[in-house]
Amino acid sequence: AQTVTQSQPEMSVQEAETVTLSCTYDTSESDYYLFWYKQPPSRQMILVIRQEAYKQQNATENRFSVNFQKAAKSFSLKISDSQLGDAAMYFCAYFDPSGTYKYIFGTGTRLKVLA
Amino acid sequence: DTGVSQDPRHKITKRGQNVTFRCDPISEHNRLYWYRQTLGQGPEFLTYFQNEAQLEKSRLLSDRFSAERPKGSFSTLEIQRTEQGDSAMYLCASRTGTDGSTEAFFGQGTRLTVV
Repeated sequence: AQTVTQSQPEMSVQEAETVTLSCTYDTSESDYYLFWYKQPPSRQMILVIRQEAYKQQNATENRFSVNFQKAAKSFSLKISDSQLGDAAMYFCAYFDPSGTYKYIFGTGTRLKVLA
Repeated sequence: DTGVSQDPRHKITKRGQNVTFRCDPISEHNRLYWYRQTLGQGPEFLTYFQNEAQLEKSRLLSDRFSAERPKGSFSTLEIQRTEQGDSAMYLCASRTGTDGSTEAFFGQGTRLTVV
């Protein structure tokens, strides 16, 4: 069964600095998708960034980028120039398009941004 | 379209009572998911619909839980004979497409408290 592990329950970063959130996963599939979702306090989860496993190039969305290491089954999120609005829970998620079509989430990392 | 809508936002019920939650997905989305999220944990998969067909149910979904999606539109999640362990945030998400290239949109959730 696929699993997703986020080993950092909480991280802090100074405003304008860079922070990296870690995620590892386990799967025997070769084609899949990985996501980072952001859940602000009392608000719904929103997609931050998405990576397709067959693409070697790391995805980038403005200040957010990933380091996707397929062989190591690692998928970290880098947030550059951190802003106060980045404070939230961040969830790493795995999606298998050939199997059950469900998202498997990690336990999350709470990111605090210090002014 | 204002996104995925869930009702109610909060529900407090006495142990042993039945509760029903509603999810209105984004109108053109044919796939709908229910997840449960407890404090400090990531969302756990409960069930998944493609149009009106319920394609998968988690083993977490005991016989007290039932979900429907009549006519492939809104969905309901009912919990019978609630227990204190059912206290959680219940999240609904919807998406379109058959692979992971389309994102899942989440509602704000229904927070259930069983007293």
